[in-house]
Amino acid sequence: DAEITQSPRHKITETGRQVTLACHQTWNHNNMFWYRQDLGHGLRLIHYSYGVHDTNKGEVSDGYSVSRSNTEDLPLTLESAASSQTSVYFCASSGGRDDEAFFGQGTRLTVV
Amino acid sequence: QKEVEQNSGPLSVPEGAIASLNCTYSDRGSQSFFWYRQYSGKSPELIMFIYSNGDKEDGRFTAQLNKASQYVSLLIRDSQPSDSATYLCAVPFPDDKIIFGKGTRLHILP
Repeated sequence: DAEITQSPRHKITETGRQVTLACHQTWNHNNMFWYRQDLGHGLRLIHYSYGVHDTNKGEVSDGYSVSRSNTEDLPLTLESAASSQTSVYFCASSGGRDDEAFFGQGTRLTVV
Repeated sequence: QKEVEQNSGPLSVPEGAIASLNCTYSDRGSQSFFWYRQYSGKSPELIMFIYSNGDKEDGRFTAQLNKASQYVSLLIRDSQPSDSATYLCAVPFPDDKIIFGKGTRLHILP
């Protein structure tokens, strides 16, 4: 069965360190998204991609970057982790604008 | 600014009653609308989608869309304790961004 997986599921890191969260999907979807979820804010879009070598900034992109070298993967990098980036991160993919988005299990990141 | 608005709740509904969840969106160009359910500590999962004006029914769930008013709602009939969750309204905008509302927390009271 097709799926979307995130790793790690939990991560604790120190302020100032670079952190990369992995997202891998086997749906062969062109569209991939990264969201963060915080209490009181819902899901906020960080970055998204419509295909290989395409990346776009979302609502809360400062301090984050992504790259898309193949269809399956969209890693999210925190260049210099800050305490404000403590959150739950979700990766999602969809086949197109009017298609369902499928979510990974989430990564809980704590920056200390 | 692309916006999707929901009441955050919590919305408390007695078991067996109808729960009504509402969502408004800012872009008249949006064509499709999704409702996701998220249990605490879990990922969002799709429960309903709607493309056309009017109502769409699936079991105990009914989605209602009014494009002129830029309003979409979700009705849950015969509410069950297992329906207690956060319900997220999602709207893909014409540039393919999927924007989510903040979600409405629903509590079904036994």
